[in-house]
Amino acid sequence: AQSVTQLDSHVSVSEGTPVLLRCNYSSSYSPSLFWYVQHPNKGLQLLLKYTSAATLVKGINGFEAEFKKSETSFHLTKPSAHMSDAAEYFCAVSSFSSASKIIFGSGTRLSIRP
Amino acid sequence: ETGVTQSPTHLIKTRGQQVTLRCSSQSGHNTVSWYQQALGQGPQFIFQYYREEENGRGNFPPRFSGLQFPNYSSELNVNALELDDSALYLCASSVGGTGELFFGEGSRLTVL
Repeated sequence: AQSVTQLDSHVSVSEGTPVLLRCNYSSSYSPSLFWYVQHPNKGLQLLLKYTSAATLVKGINGFEAEFKKSETSFHLTKPSAHMSDAAEYFCAVSSFSSASKIIFGSGTRLSIRP
Repeated sequence: ETGVTQSPTHLIKTRGQQVTLRCSSQSGHNTVSWYQQALGQGPQFIFQYYREEENGRGNFPPRFSGLQFPNYSSELNVNALELDDSALYLCASSVGGTGELFFGEGSRLTVL
């Protein structure tokens, strides 16, 4: 079965400093991995996805993530945080072995200090 | 091109009642997935519909049921509501099994 673990429930950084949101995955198959963002009272928006092409994936709004099979990790990074980045971030995994459902982690709340 | 729309946006029910939530998928998308997101939690997969057939189900009891229509819109029905059903219900559409989901803004259900 597929699963993801988000290692931090809350991350706080200062505006202009780097962001690191950590995610480890577990999958019996070659996984597809995703990062979604959710702003308050909104649905989820796809930031980026990994589907076995390049291990470094670039997404929207300056975010990127690196797939590391040896570490079973898919951490999300951004070089310089902006106030508008404050939101909830979800790591997710899917497998094409069955129903192609996406399994989400429990989320990391990102706060940005002025 | 219109995105995923859900209705109603908010509703309040009492225990034991039944509720129907509706979702219009994004143009060109033939797959709809439903998720339950409790406060402070990640979305939990309820089920997925592909071309009007259920195509996978999460760990939810049979009182959670759904439909997909020929135009690919969908309904989520929940019978015999319980307090723990209070949550944000998210609908997401996609093209087949690509895994890239496009979400609506959700229907927030409160059960009293």
